[in-house]
Amino acid sequence: GAGVSQSPSNKVTEKGKDVELRCDPISGHTALYWYRQSLGQGLEFLIYFQGNSAPDKSGLPSDRFSAERTGGSVSTLTIQRTQQEDSAVYLCASSTTVGNTIYFGEGSWLTVV
Amino acid sequence: AQTVTQSQPEMSVQEAETVTLSCTYDTSESDYYLFWYKQPPSRQMILVIRQEAYKQQNATENRFSVNFQKAAKSFSLKISDSQLGDAAMYFCAYDYRDDKIIFGKGTRLHILP
Repeated sequence: GAGVSQSPSNKVTEKGKDVELRCDPISGHTALYWYRQSLGQGLEFLIYFQGNSAPDKSGLPSDRFSAERTGGSVSTLTIQRTQQEDSAVYLCASSTTVGNTIYFGEGSWLTVV
Repeated sequence: AQTVTQSQPEMSVQEAETVTLSCTYDTSESDYYLFWYKQPPSRQMILVIRQEAYKQQNATENRFSVNFQKAAKSFSLKISDSQLGDAAMYFCAYDYRDDKIIFGKGTRLHILP
């Protein structure tokens, strides 16, 4: 596609439910990043993929968070047993390679009630 | 570990004036990349300017320029002839090889008419 596509754009879920957030990067981009941004705050690194591999998972806040990437393309971020503190915008970005511009999606706004 | 610090949470500038946003970073590497990203209220992150650390020349994009001081590990953004559309959150970011991109906490820029 022309840009990084994320879905859903908005999600309201009940505490304790599982959610899946999807990211479709720009075609041909091998690097894919997930960040979390709480209201009015900076970007918190969660995980990045180089192809299908995730060399660095250190940013995942807890074992309730997991992510995968298949076929070197689409990535899914899964949050199990959601908590209210998980409410945030989850941003996905991709780039052709390190050092090149990373392009962001518009984010998935998650609200846990 | 690499860190990026933006010491100004908020700044204001009069329309048509010049403003400088500060960014410092910590790294032991010599070959890396630095970026400034803009996040307007629409939430979409947009690249403003990119600097390669091995290049001594400061990057410039129209009204936006940087002052890159490698020895001091400083990377400030200067916006000339500020316009109302420049109002946004600005993030400084660092990227090194196959590693996560690290963002500062951001500076919120207000443009006063």
